[in-house]
Amino acid sequence: RKEVEQDPGPFNVPEGATVAFNCTYSNSASQSFFWYRQDCRKEPKLLMSVYSSGNEDGRFTAQLNRASQYISLLIRDSKLSDSATYLCVVTPGANAGKSTFGDGTTLTVKP
Amino acid sequence: EPEVTQTPSHQVTQMGQEVILRCVPISNHLYFYWYRQILGQKVEFLVSFYNNEISEKSEIFDDQFSVERPDGSNFTLKIRSTKLEDSAMYFCASSGGATNEKLFFGSGTQLSVL
Repeated sequence: RKEVEQDPGPFNVPEGATVAFNCTYSNSASQSFFWYRQDCRKEPKLLMSVYSSGNEDGRFTAQLNRASQYISLLIRDSKLSDSATYLCVVTPGANAGKSTFGDGTTLTVKP
Repeated sequence: EPEVTQTPSHQVTQMGQEVILRCVPISNHLYFYWYRQILGQKVEFLVSFYNNEISEKSEIFDDQFSVERPDGSNFTLKIRSTKLEDSAMYFCASSGGATNEKLFFGSGTQLSVL
């Protein structure tokens, strides 16, 4: 089983659609969780941290379910500029340390 | 906004040659990392560095790899005797300050081994 497993994608959605990405992780001792965004051949950029209480940043909502070892990202009212690969990232502790990246889920938003 | 800078952006080398990839982490960060991404594959952890020593490394980071912080600002990754399979994008990252768990990546060095 992969340490971090994401929806394989790709997701092709029209502008304005709501899209959800899922991620599961295998190490129950993992402590920190993130969604990063990566544009083609660019560096990953932090999109948002993920907390058990859930967190929202504008059109983006992230949720963590520790019991199920499951992380989600919801994008509402998707824009053309949301087209990218979304990376689920899990770290073992309070420090970034040996962060484990998922394979990524590619989103294409079409006009 | 402070950023991680990497040089060069592209490096082409012959198999068996040594390369040094350079990074300047964010100035108040204390933790430094190298990750790599082979084309079409996921981002993979190579090594973390704290307090002038390696704190963790992956199985990818074998004896052909080494890291160094030669002065107060630079952080380097050396690959001795490069192999074809070392061709990848190498990302430097740093973390620290108030958000120690969050990684800030440089724009990467694309290494091509011929």
